Amino acid sequence: DSGVTQTPKHLITATGQRVTLRCSPRSGDLSVYWYQQSLDQGLQFLIQYYNGEERAKGNILERFSAQQFPDLHSELNLSSLELGDSALYFCASSGGGGGQETQYFGPGTRLLVL
Amino acid sequence: ELKVEQNPLFLSMQEGKNYTIYCNYSTTSDRLYWYRQDPGKSLESLFVLLSNGAVKQEGRLMASLDTKARLSTLHITAAVHDLSATYFCAVDMGHQFYFGTGTSLTVIP
Repeated sequence: DSGVTQTPKHLITATGQRVTLRCSPRSGDLSVYWYQQSLDQGLQFLIQYYNGEERAKGNILERFSAQQFPDLHSELNLSSLELGDSALYFCASSGGGGGQETQYFGPGTRLLVL
Repeated sequence: ELKVEQNPLFLSMQEGKNYTIYCNYSTTSDRLYWYRQDPGKSLESLFVLLSNGAVKQEGRLMASLDTKARLSTLHITAAVHDLSATYFCAVDMGHQFYFGTGTSLTVIP
């Protein structure tokens, strides 16, 4: 158990809908990262937050947005969903602001868009 | 955009044998990570390599980084079945992370 929690574990929805994925980092970790894993695109970094502020942005679509709240949990919002958004979404947390620390991954949310 | 290539993509090896997984990347970076993923599971961090010449070892796995060659290796010594998993390298470029395609390792008794 990494100490990172994600909800829900599974999500099935329809095209055009909007969903929210939630991540609670390990106690004391300030950084949260979001990743997408799919068969066709592999593992992709989406976005990083550090202590409530956006730190780095990767291949995150404009239809997707994220935020980190004062209690350090984070949410990833996916809107106008398309079939191709079906994937595993992981969040990870680490202790500091940079990328040099070990990242601890949550169990993931499996999203299926029908 | 930074490209990260891993090879081999698939590796089947006998228990007790040694092998190396290679991770090449296209742009200078001095931060590289190795992860393990078991089927249907999340990622587990194995190594964080932060400088040229960095070498880290944990059990039967040893990782190294050559930033000048833009190459990292993950060496497996005397493989055991429990090492069967997919291994990913990832390069940190300005806090953005670029992953390799993964190496699916199967250790055969």
